[in-house]
Amino acid sequence: NAGVTQTPKFQVLKTGQSMTLQCAQDMNHEYMSWYRQDPGMGLRLIHYSVGAGITDQGEVPNGYNVSRSTTEDFPLRLLSAAPSQTSVYFCASRPHRGRFNTEAFFGQGTRLTVV
Amino acid sequence: DAKTTQPNSMESNEEEPVHLPCNHSTISGTDYIHWYRQLPSQGPEYVIHGLTSNVNNRMASLAIAEDRKSSTLILHRATLRDAAVYYCILFTSGTYKYIFGTGTRLKVLA
Repeated sequence: NAGVTQTPKFQVLKTGQSMTLQCAQDMNHEYMSWYRQDPGMGLRLIHYSVGAGITDQGEVPNGYNVSRSTTEDFPLRLLSAAPSQTSVYFCASRPHRGRFNTEAFFGQGTRLTVV
Repeated sequence: DAKTTQPNSMESNEEEPVHLPCNHSTISGTDYIHWYRQLPSQGPEYVIHGLTSNVNNRMASLAIAEDRKSSTLILHRATLRDAAVYYCILFTSGTYKYIFGTGTRLKVLA
């Protein structure tokens, strides 16, 4: 049981490049989400999904796309990277979308630098 | 989304109890109170959660005010490994979003 796995751990992009941050969980969790954390700040919600085929926007969705074709995977796509997207990105999953008394599990993060 | 307010930072001596406060005056009746902590260079990890009653687990205790407008995370004996940012989050019924605030940075002094 690996939990929530994020790849890559580190990435440097040039402005205008695109890339996909990968997130996979092996706990059969319905709910998955992406956050970004800027230096010295708390986490801000980018997008989330309550099941395969269902996604919705969080607090800061602009510049990012997501899809959820399987329960296990929730990739985050940067369409045209900008320096303002330099951040640490965290993926999280929770056991059941309808339950509010369960804990979320977070990945170890992807540190992205856009130059 | 319901908001929480926490002090920016707190200090504690090692092996002493720590009380981390959180205000959530706009909490609704079905909102759960969740606490997470983030160790340096790691993702957040679950600490404890509750609805109305006080809760205990192996990591901490959660004391919830009778009117539910505030709560306190209690670490019974702080260790150096407890130095982290602690987040108080309201998990709102009807949505599926964890909205993080800025949290409290806990410094533990040896």
